Amino acid sequence: QVQVEESGGGVVQPGGSLRLSCATSGFTFSTYGMHWVRQAPGKGLEWVAFIRNDGSNTYYADSVKGRFTISRDNSKNTLSLQMNSLRAEDTAVYYCAKDFRAEIGYMNVWGKGTTVIVSS
Amino acid sequence: QVVLTQSPSASASLGASVKLTCTLSSGHTTYSIAWHQQQPEKGPRYLMKVNSDGSHNKGDGIPDRFSGSSSGAERYLTISSLQSEDEGDYYCQTWGSGIHVVFGGGTKMTVL
Repeated sequence: QVQVEESGGGVVQPGGSLRLSCATSGFTFSTYGMHWVRQAPGKGLEWVAFIRNDGSNTYYADSVKGRFTISRDNSKNTLSLQMNSLRAEDTAVYYCAKDFRAEIGYMNVWGKGTTVIVSS
Repeated sequence: QVVLTQSPSASASLGASVKLTCTLSSGHTTYSIAWHQQQPEKGPRYLMKVNSDGSHNKGDGIPDRFSGSSSGAERYLTISSLQSEDEGDYYCQTWGSGIHVVFGGGTKMTVL
C-alpha cells in the first residue's frame, strides 16, 4: 500500500525555523518526484515545493523561495522541508505528496498533513 | 502564468449528478489537469487526470461514478449518483516547466 506520512509540525515564533519530514512506503521512492503543498486555515491548496526523483532539480513557489529548502534521502525513503525565517502567513497544514512521475507533474498520493503554526 | 478558474460552490441532491468545471486561461487551453477531492477535515485525494482530448486516468479505487471530460479550455469532473461522502472541496491542478504547479481555487460541493 502506497503511503506518505508527514511529521514535524508545531508552534514556532516568527523568524524561527522548523523541519518537516515525510516518511514513505509501498513504492520505489527513488523513482518519483515529490511535492510539499500547504493549506492555510479556511483557504485552498497552495503548492510549496518540488524535488525531482534524483534530487537534481528543485522548484519553489515565489512565496517561500530563499526561505524553504526541499530535500530527500533516497536511502531512507524520506522527504524533508527545512523552513527558515518563518512568517505568520506560513501558518498552514503542510502536505507531502508523491508525483506520478520523476519530473514535475501531478500528485497521485497525498498524506494526511502536519500543522505548522507561526505565532508569538 | 496559467490560471485555473473554478466556481466557488456547487450543490445537487442525493442520487443526482453534478458536473464541476475547471477553466484554463488563454494560451494554456491544451493543458492536462488533475482533479483532487478533499473531504471535510481530511487530506486531499487524487481522483483523475483529464487530458485535452477528454481522455482521463483515474486513481486507484476511484468509483465509476466519477468521470472526466473536456471541451476547449474547460475540463470537467462529473459525479453521478451523488452520495453524502461526495461532499467536500474539489480542486483542479495543472503543471509544466516554467509554471511549476498551479491549483484552482476549489469548488465546495454540497449534497442536498
